[in-house]
Amino acid sequence: DAKTTQPTSMDCAEGRAANLPCNHSTISGNEYVYWYRQIHSQGPQYIIHGLKNNETNEMASLIITEDRKSSTLILPHATLRDTAVYYCIVESKGSARQLTFGSGTQLTVLP
Amino acid sequence: DAGVIQSPRHEVTEMGQEVTLRCKPISGHNSLFWYRQTMMRGLELLIYFNNNVPIDDSGMPEDRFSAKMPNASFSTLKIQPSEPRDSAVYFCASSLSGSTNEQFFGPGTRLTVL
Repeated sequence: DAKTTQPTSMDCAEGRAANLPCNHSTISGNEYVYWYRQIHSQGPQYIIHGLKNNETNEMASLIITEDRKSSTLILPHATLRDTAVYYCIVESKGSARQLTFGSGTQLTVLP
Repeated sequence: DAGVIQSPRHEVTEMGQEVTLRCKPISGHNSLFWYRQTMMRGLELLIYFNNNVPIDDSGMPEDRFSAKMPNASFSTLKIQPSEPRDSAVYFCASSLSGSTNEQFFGPGTRLTVL
């Protein structure tokens, strides 16, 4: 699986959009980009995934660059409850479905 | 739906004792995963099952660790004998094969080995 690079931490003001970047320059053609988050003392929670098109759901939007070497997770209106560690993972959908978690980005939403 | 259920939520034991962690996956899910999380090593996959069969246990630290899935609704992770370095939060997750690969995680078991 391709390795991902994320900033260690980010701050965001409550009510503003939080944009979390992820680099995955060695991603291969059949690998998807997944985002999970982990709120303190809880298990990780799935957010969204995509292959090459931008995706949106009730939680977030995922923007993937045309060359697929990087992506951005967007939380349109961050709340205090969005404070968490956000993990960007690349993985082949048709593979053994193992998720390799990196260090993630600690997002802190400030009041 | 109750989600993934893990028990116990907290376990404190002494070095050398046997520890058994339990997991009930979401009904209908056919893949089950055991993870361990520590400050030093982050979140690591230990083993996963597909249709009750262990597929990859390369993440299991050593022979002291064993995992079973006797049926589709129950799995155990056993540590015997336990050591202080096994102290961690152990998560169980389940997913539906062929779906979006969304894994649903349980609340975790916080294990402390004294």
